Amino acid sequence: GAGVSQTPSNKVTEKGKYVELRCDPISGHTALYWYRQSLGQGPEFLIYFQGTGAADDSGLPNDRFFAVRPEGSVSTLKIQRTERGDSAVYLCASSLGAGGYNEQFFGPGTRLTVL
Amino acid sequence: LAKTTQPISMDSYEGQEVNITCSHNNIATNDYITWYQQFPSQGPRFIIQGYKTKVTNEVASLFIPADRKSSTLSLPRVSLSDTAVYYCLVGDPSGSARQLTFGSGTQLTVLP
Repeated sequence: GAGVSQTPSNKVTEKGKYVELRCDPISGHTALYWYRQSLGQGPEFLIYFQGTGAADDSGLPNDRFFAVRPEGSVSTLKIQRTERGDSAVYLCASSLGAGGYNEQFFGPGTRLTVL
Repeated sequence: LAKTTQPISMDSYEGQEVNITCSHNNIATNDYITWYQQFPSQGPRFIIQGYKTKVTNEVASLFIPADRKSSTLSLPRVSLSDTAVYYCLVGDPSGSARQLTFGSGTQLTVLP
């Protein structure tokens, strides 16, 4: 069956620009997560959705980062006024339920490069 | 969330059994131990999860001693395609935390 998909696979932008990264979770998965992974590091949690609402956004580094999931399926991570330090791979994951440590299924990620 | 410590890297040869040990000295009573695998340019993939003693699935085995302060992921007869980063995570499945907390992982390189 279809897994988690993310678009674009690569995004190159200039400092100060706005970017949107899209995540299509596995159908029927109510929980959706965004992580950020820098080179040589493990993924770092950003935000978690249960349905349409952001249940935990404690990992967002600052107010330039925002994410939505308006219909409880597709999610978009938005980054305003991008900085070079935002360059990383942004990973999306989904899981069946709200219980902690339900197996999370990850997408391939979007590699963001801010020049 | 309990802090975990793993070796940064390990090398092995095809056909050998590989054991990766993770230390989690401050593991809590309700915490489970979970391992994820990540290939280059892919997201992490769940391998195995356990609470105590031994868990085995079609991919790996997980050994957890009685004091639960460490755990060992065992990969039988590795192949070149097992070259990846392996992450050990510790947390309470019934807790409020939903996110996974990754460390830096162990880079396993399988040599021919």
